[in-house]
Amino acid sequence: ETTLTQSPAFMSATPGAKVNISCKASQDIDDDMNWYQQKPGEAAIFIIQEATILVPGIPPRFSGSGYGTDFTLTINNIESEDAAYYFCLQHDNFPYTFGQGTKLEIK
Amino acid sequence: QITLKESGLPLVKPTQTLTLTCTFSGFSLSIRGVGVGWVRQPPGKALEWLALINGDDEKHYRPSLRTRLTITKDTSKNQVVLTMTNMDPADTATYYCTHSPPVGNYVDSWGQGTLVTVSS
Repeated sequence: ETTLTQSPAFMSATPGAKVNISCKASQDIDDDMNWYQQKPGEAAIFIIQEATILVPGIPPRFSGSGYGTDFTLTINNIESEDAAYYFCLQHDNFPYTFGQGTKLEIK
Repeated sequence: QITLKESGLPLVKPTQTLTLTCTFSGFSLSIRGVGVGWVRQPPGKALEWLALINGDDEKHYRPSLRTRLTITKDTSKNQVVLTMTNMDPADTATYYCTHSPPVGNYVDSWGQGTLVTVSS
């Protein structure tokens, strides 16, 4: 089973800032990494596909990078609507596994 | 547009069997490679992948829960059912239904989830 270590668990940012969320895999997963955003009571939204591909309809201030074991979700020019829970998911092998999640607060 | 909606009893007693239904629209589970899966999140904890069934009727389960889980599909009703036996308070969680497209094996859509509490 591939363990994903996501950090930080919580972060606070001001509008306009840039934030990075990390997800490290315990073994090589190529680019089989996705990122999601979730707000309370709502379905999770798919934002980054295959580590670096922005899902259609997602604002370009979101971006993903990485390959193999180290991955990063970057949000540039943060807006208040970006306050949410973010998590990573690897689909390279079963069982799929998740990072522990990051709660992003906007000051 | 893909939609997924989870349903099931919100409260089950320890040792009972949980039955959850995912009713979906916007795709067919008869298509090769398309998948519907289940994920859960205990309060305050990380997400945990549970199971997946695809259009080829292939099934995958979380190994640690394999003996307790069964996933089935009814393509005529656009439904996927997950049963979990011998429920325990540790199984208290929000349970989510997910969709995977025919190519790529990834999850691209989620339901809103349903909270299941295990308590006597």
